[in-house]
Amino acid sequence: GAVVSQHPSRVICKSGTSVKIECRSLDFQATTMFWYRQFPKQSLMLMATSNEGSKATYEQGVEKDKFLINHASLTLSTLTVTSAHPEDSSFYICSAKIAGGRNEQFFGPGTRLTVL
Amino acid sequence: AQTVTQSQPEMSVQEAETVTLSCTYDTSESDYYLFWYKQPPSRQMILVIRQEAYKQQNATENRFSVNFQKAAKSFSLKISDSQLGDAAMYFCAYRSAYSGGSNYKLTFGKGTLLTVNP
Repeated sequence: GAVVSQHPSRVICKSGTSVKIECRSLDFQATTMFWYRQFPKQSLMLMATSNEGSKATYEQGVEKDKFLINHASLTLSTLTVTSAHPEDSSFYICSAKIAGGRNEQFFGPGTRLTVL
Repeated sequence: AQTVTQSQPEMSVQEAETVTLSCTYDTSESDYYLFWYKQPPSRQMILVIRQEAYKQQNATENRFSVNFQKAAKSFSLKISDSQLGDAAMYFCAYRSAYSGGSNYKLTFGKGTLLTVNP
């Protein structure tokens, strides 16, 4: 099956620093990737849709200048949390849709961000 | 905008028994996909089953089956012969069938935490 990886799996950073999370599709090309945020014991909330070669589409209420998304290739999307604060601490999950028409999305294992 | 509602925050079932998880959704679209995802303690999202709205036949995957009632906008998941490994958070999700960028996004319900008792 299609595999999506995320790196790092866990990151702890100081308040005010920036953190980059990578999402890679290992064995397929993904024109569209998605970034979700999940607080403890809550559902996944879509943050943005990342399209290869174009600007990301952000959901209402998500600050695009704080959560920078880059989808520079068909196998890699990155999420950078800029000037992170403790309230940004969360579990971030990416998913990827196979280019060419398959409907299923494949999820990465997630990244736990803790901002001190 | 589409919404997905899971009215059961928690459910429990005895091992080998059957349990049904509820999900309702709201949409003005006529063509869409519905999914059940499982999220075990590892937090990895795993697709359990998928239903295409234009198909009247209910989807089945081994011990997992759905009861899809399009008119009622209901999409319940039945787990038969429950196993300890089925214990997880289960999310119902909706996706538009129309192609293009953000139309591929999933809208999730709040989830149901399933406990399987030995």
